[in-house]
Amino acid sequence: QVQVVQSGAEVEKPGASVKVSCKASGNIFTDYWIHWVRQAPRQGLQWMAMINPSLGRTTYSQKFQDRVAMTADTSTNTVNMHLSSLRSEDTAFYYCVYSKYYYGSGAPDHWGPGTLVTVSS
Amino acid sequence: QSVLTQPPSASGTPGQRVTISCSGITSNIGSNTVNWYQQLPGTAPKLLIYSADQRPSGVPDRFSGSMSGTSASLAISGLQSEDEADYYCAAWDDRLNGRLFGGGTKLTVL
Repeated sequence: QVQVVQSGAEVEKPGASVKVSCKASGNIFTDYWIHWVRQAPRQGLQWMAMINPSLGRTTYSQKFQDRVAMTADTSTNTVNMHLSSLRSEDTAFYYCVYSKYYYGSGAPDHWGPGTLVTVSS
Repeated sequence: QSVLTQPPSASGTPGQRVTISCSGITSNIGSNTVNWYQQLPGTAPKLLIYSADQRPSGVPDRFSGSMSGTSASLAISGLQSEDEADYYCAAWDDRLNGRLFGGGTKLTVL
């Protein structure tokens, strides 16, 4: 059974940057695509980006491509999502999702518990 | 506004069968399969259905999915009070080169 863990809650000021980390148990790091999905309070789900560490490929949503970057640390099997120029609308839970295929279907995916990022002055 | 369209709400009584729809276009549901997620209050989304009609291990067979053309549906039979949650559909979009989610449907068990 795959278990996904994420870094803890963050509080940042407008204009700052934040890094959220994610790691899965089991030897799946190199076989999976890792997606980031966010959910603002009382809102729906929004896809942000994905990375495949073994292929070295990243794809970003047009909405976030100017402010988001994903990196992978192969020594620790950790994936990081960096979001810059934070504004109040970025206050949300950020979920890390491990998926066997880039398109997100085709096989069961595995969600992390979410990381709350609060942007407030 | 979500590109995948779901009704904002649905309801049913215990034991009843409820269906939630998800409407897209050729570049998403018309070309790729759909996942369905259940989100209970204060928790992360949980995968209910993948590849349109496949259930992960541990998901009761009361939950079923189907697709036709550019639409997908989630059916819940034998409705139970614990099914009260938000439900989301998701599909890859070839034109946007990204994943899309529906706006979510809040299911109320009366």
